Amino acid sequence: EPEVTQTPSHQVTQMGQEVILRCVPISNHLYFYWYRQILGQKVEFLVSFYNNEISEKSEIFDDQFSVERPDGSNFTLKIRSTKLEDSAMYFCASSGGQGRPNTEAFFGQGTRLTVV
Amino acid sequence: QKEVEQDPGPLSVPEGAIVSLNCTYSNSAFQYFMWYRQYSRKGPELLMYTYSSGNKEDGRFTAQVDKSSKYISLFIRDSQPSDSATYLCAMTSGASKIIFGSGTRLSIRP
Repeated sequence: EPEVTQTPSHQVTQMGQEVILRCVPISNHLYFYWYRQILGQKVEFLVSFYNNEISEKSEIFDDQFSVERPDGSNFTLKIRSTKLEDSAMYFCASSGGQGRPNTEAFFGQGTRLTVV
Repeated sequence: QKEVEQDPGPLSVPEGAIVSLNCTYSNSAFQYFMWYRQYSRKGPELLMYTYSSGNKEDGRFTAQVDKSSKYISLFIRDSQPSDSATYLCAMTSGASKIIFGSGTRLSIRP
């Protein structure tokens, strides 16, 4: 069964460094998302992406964050200058494949980001 | 008032019991309702997806939506220890982001 894959599974970085989290969405999906989950807290929306542009973003998604779909398969989240409070699980999701609604989102296994 | 409210539990039941998990919401624009299962340090796994009001059944799982009360439920019949996980309700208007509840931690005792 097709799945969303994310790399790396765990990333440790120093405060102030840039990180890029990578995702390969399900191949025929059209909508892509990043969510994050701080340990013990709820899953929070960061950004949605459709037709090669951001369709919606939350207040968490400030100028230090950016997303890109550099080719036909990858979808990346860049955090420019990491802060301690960016430590969380980051989940990529995709939806809107042929015959499926754009609201039925499938999630990857996540990247655990630890900022030290 | 939070957009989506979910009792965090934990909820502990014996194997074979019927489990009832619930969420309430405040945004009447929500039309699409999902239940996800999440194991520790893993990604949310989509279990059930329903549009508007009504029931949907899939094996041991039944999802119910009551839009008039802004209340959704997930029932698990014949619960198994492998059902032990955190269950997240999620919903969207369809034109906007998916909003998650905080999750209910469920434990099934053998």
